[in-house]
Amino acid sequence: EAQVTQNPRYLITVTGKKLTVTCSQNMNHEYMSWYRQDPGLGLRQIYYSMNVEVTDKGDVPEGYKVSRKEKRNFPLILESPSPNQTSLYFCASSLYKGGPYPNQPQHFGDGTRLSIL
Amino acid sequence: KNEVEQSPQNLTAQEGEFITINCSYSVGISALHWLQQHPGGGIVSLFMLSSGKKKHGRLIATINIQEKHSSLHITASHPRDSAVYICAVRWGNFGNEKLTFGTGTRLTIIP
Repeated sequence: EAQVTQNPRYLITVTGKKLTVTCSQNMNHEYMSWYRQDPGLGLRQIYYSMNVEVTDKGDVPEGYKVSRKEKRNFPLILESPSPNQTSLYFCASSLYKGGPYPNQPQHFGDGTRLSIL
Repeated sequence: KNEVEQSPQNLTAQEGEFITINCSYSVGISALHWLQQHPGGGIVSLFMLSSGKKKHGRLIATINIQEKHSSLHITASHPRDSAVYICAVRWGNFGNEKLTFGTGTRLTIIP
């Protein structure tokens, strides 16, 4: 089954304790992306990757790191989490044709609810 | 700043009604996505379009590039259509793969 898998689904942790949220897709997609969703602000893009070793900032990258060492995986790293990073996080992937062609529709993971105390 | 605005923010309708949700954006784009977020939180991509019109079942999405506006229509609405509908745009320059989202329209269909 084609899917985007995020882990963990829920996490409660404390300020300053490094954490990683994993994202894996089995569709051989080039494009992967991380979003956070907050009440009243909607979805905002954190980082995206157009292929292995190619990553770029979205609208809200501060406090986050990503890496793309393999095509299927795109982990989100919070080196020193703070309470303002409490949010619902989504990973997504899609085919990517590049150039003037728009991305294909995105496939979303089920979300990770992160609470930082 | 490039912006995406959706209207209405909330919409309640009776089963069977024709629904329209609007999305406007501030500058040229290369693609627009319509997403559906279920009450349980999962997100599904409904449409991606850069011009014209697309149809899937009872859902129709249109985009007017000149007017910088897109609409999502639902015909013969049903309670299972109750969800948050979100538009997202990829801005005009290719090589720029960022997506910016509207804040969503919460649709409730009453039986």
